[in-house]
Amino acid sequence: GDSVTQMEGPVTLSEEAFLTINCTYTATGYPSLFWYVQYPGEGLQLLLKATKADDKGSNKGFEATYRKETTSFHLEKGSVQVSDSAVYFCALKGRNYGGSQGNLIFGKGTKLSVKP
Amino acid sequence: NAGVTQTPKFRVLKTGQSMTLLCAQDMNHEYMYWYRQDPGMGLRLIHYSVGEGTTAKGEVPDGYNVSRLKKQNFLLGLESAAPSQTSVYFCASSYLAGGPTGELFFGEGSRLTVL
Repeated sequence: GDSVTQMEGPVTLSEEAFLTINCTYTATGYPSLFWYVQYPGEGLQLLLKATKADDKGSNKGFEATYRKETTSFHLEKGSVQVSDSAVYFCALKGRNYGGSQGNLIFGKGTKLSVKP
Repeated sequence: NAGVTQTPKFRVLKTGQSMTLLCAQDMNHEYMYWYRQDPGMGLRLIHYSVGEGTTAKGEVPDGYNVSRLKKQNFLLGLESAAPSQTSVYFCASSYLAGGPTGELFFGEGSRLTVL
């Protein structure tokens, strides 16, 4: 079945460092891909998304490119801030609409801590 | 802007007790979901609903029941709580599932501890 694998954390960076969180997926067809972020004590919220190959999602300085050839959707940010400290989840939504319509498949999450 | 509201936010139960978590959304979304979040496990889908009066099992449905009597509400019940159900529970909703997008909107979570 469909699955998402993301790098295990925790990841600790200094402010202004470059961030990469790796995410690879297994899916039939052409899924949509997402990054969700969970700030401490809050629910998840959508950070960015891409719906087809070579699409680049971007938001709040974060970017991720849908790479079909490597089945990857790595999250990057050029200069992290303390306020970026959160748990980041990669997720996919398959194109099979029977029986599990709309269900996202989440990775296990990567905790990021940014130190001043 | 209320969005998705979960009650209660915290609860401690003894083994064998029952309880109900309530999820309410004010966005007129058709689809609603209950997830549990455990350390190192990510989010796992318990049950979901594609519309009023409908429910379906997700990845980890055992020990839980759900009801969707009104479009805006999705209830998650534990009939006989077990320590393995200690977790943080998240409710989510979405407008459409029939297309490639379909962002999920999450509540703030309900932390349940079963002693």
